[in-house]
Amino acid sequence: AQSVAQPEDQVNVAEGNPLTVKCTYSVSGNPYLFWYVQYPNRGLQFLLKYITGDNLVKGSYGFEAEFNKSQTSFHLKKPSALVSDSALYFCAVSSSASKIIFGSGTRLSIRP
Amino acid sequence: DSGVTQTPKHLITATGQRVTLRCSPRSGDLSVYWYQQSLDQGLQFLIQYYNGEERAKGNILERFSAQQFPDLHSELNLSSLELGDSALYFCASSEVGQIYTEAFFGQGTRLTVV
Repeated sequence: AQSVAQPEDQVNVAEGNPLTVKCTYSVSGNPYLFWYVQYPNRGLQFLLKYITGDNLVKGSYGFEAEFNKSQTSFHLKKPSALVSDSALYFCAVSSSASKIIFGSGTRLSIRP
Repeated sequence: DSGVTQTPKHLITATGQRVTLRCSPRSGDLSVYWYQQSLDQGLQFLIQYYNGEERAKGNILERFSAQQFPDLHSELNLSSLELGDSALYFCASSEVGQIYTEAFFGQGTRLTVV
C-alpha cells in the first residue's frame, strides 16, 4: 500500500541555522514526490517536486530536497532558516499506479 | 494568489443539512482536486476531475459528491452533514491531470457543523 510519513509533528530551529524536515514514503513503482507549505489561514503552496533525474531538487524560497531511493526518503532542507519560514509543511507522494497522498504535516517553528 | 477561487470562505450549518462548496480553477487548468483537512486526520484526498470527467477517487463518503461543469468550475456537495464533517475543504487545480503535476490550492472553505 502507498504511504508517506512525516515522523516529526514539530521542528524547532534557530534563525540562521540549517533546517531539515523529514519525509519517508512507500509506493509501488517509481515515486513522484512533492513538498508543499501552508501558512496560517491559507491554502497549500507548491515548493518543489522530484519526478526523475538529479536527486537534489531545488525549489522556492531557497528550499531543496534530496531524493534517496535506498532510504525511501525525501527530506526538505534549507541551509539558513528564516523566521518567515515558520509554517506547516506537507510531503506528498504518488506513482503511476496510484493517486497522490499527503503526509500528516510538520509544523516548522523558527525562533529569532 | 494561486488563481484558484473557493466560495464561500466560511460556512456554518446544522447537522443533517446539505451544503455546496464551489471552486473556480486557475485559468487554463483542466484538472480539479478536492481535499478535506481536519485536525486529527491531516489532508485527505477526496476526488479529482479532469475536463469534466471523474479521474480519481479517494476517501470520499457516499454522502459527498462532486462534479465539474463545462466551464471547468467544480462543486462539492455535502449532504446529511454530521459534526465530524467539520473541516477545511480545499480545492486545487492543475494544468493537466497527471499525478506528477503540481497543484495550486485555493484558500479553502471552513465548514462548521453544529
